[in-house]
Amino acid sequence: ELKVEQNPLFLSMQEGKNYTIYCNYSTTSDRLYWYRQDPGKSLESLFVLLSNGAVKQEGRLMASLDTKARLSTLHITAAVHDLSATYFCAVDLSGTYKYIFGTGTRLKVLA
Amino acid sequence: DTGVSQNPRHKITKRGQNVTFRCDPISEHNRLYWYRQTLGQGPEFLTYFQNEAQLEKSRLLSDRFSAERPKGSFSTLEIQRTEQGDSAMYLCASSLAGGTADQFFGEGSRLTVL
Repeated sequence: ELKVEQNPLFLSMQEGKNYTIYCNYSTTSDRLYWYRQDPGKSLESLFVLLSNGAVKQEGRLMASLDTKARLSTLHITAAVHDLSATYFCAVDLSGTYKYIFGTGTRLKVLA
Repeated sequence: DTGVSQNPRHKITKRGQNVTFRCDPISEHNRLYWYRQTLGQGPEFLTYFQNEAQLEKSRLLSDRFSAERPKGSFSTLEIQRTEQGDSAMYLCASSLAGGTADQFFGEGSRLTVL
């Protein structure tokens, strides 16, 4: 069964610092998605990564995918308080369109 | 607003009662998905439809859970004889078939079973 693990689970960081969130998954998949969730809210799509070596950037966030290593990273550059949220990666179990979500990384950016 | 719409947003019920949630997807999306999210966890896939056909329902949590999409537009998720363990956020998402199949999520329906 496909398992998706994220680390760290909790991340407290100072504004202006850089950090990386990791998403590992256990079986072959070539589609990976990153979402943001604010408390009590639904999920907001951040990135769609569809092939090995894919890299997407939006503002202070950059996501990459290594399908051979079964690893995706979400890199945060010069964090600001507005980035405080929970970040989920999700893997599309190949050909099924079922998303298997990671455990989430709760990010808190301290002013 | 042309996003995914869910209602009710919050439902409080007593154990043993039946509840039904409705999801209206983005109008041009032919795929519709239901997930459950408990506190501190990621969403857990339950079932999905392509048009009116339910293509996957093995993840529905028990035979008390059922979902329909009778005309290929809105969908309902019903939970019969609710239990306290059913308390969770129920999320609906929709997507196009093919392409990136990127799923867009609604605001969710929060169920509290007393």
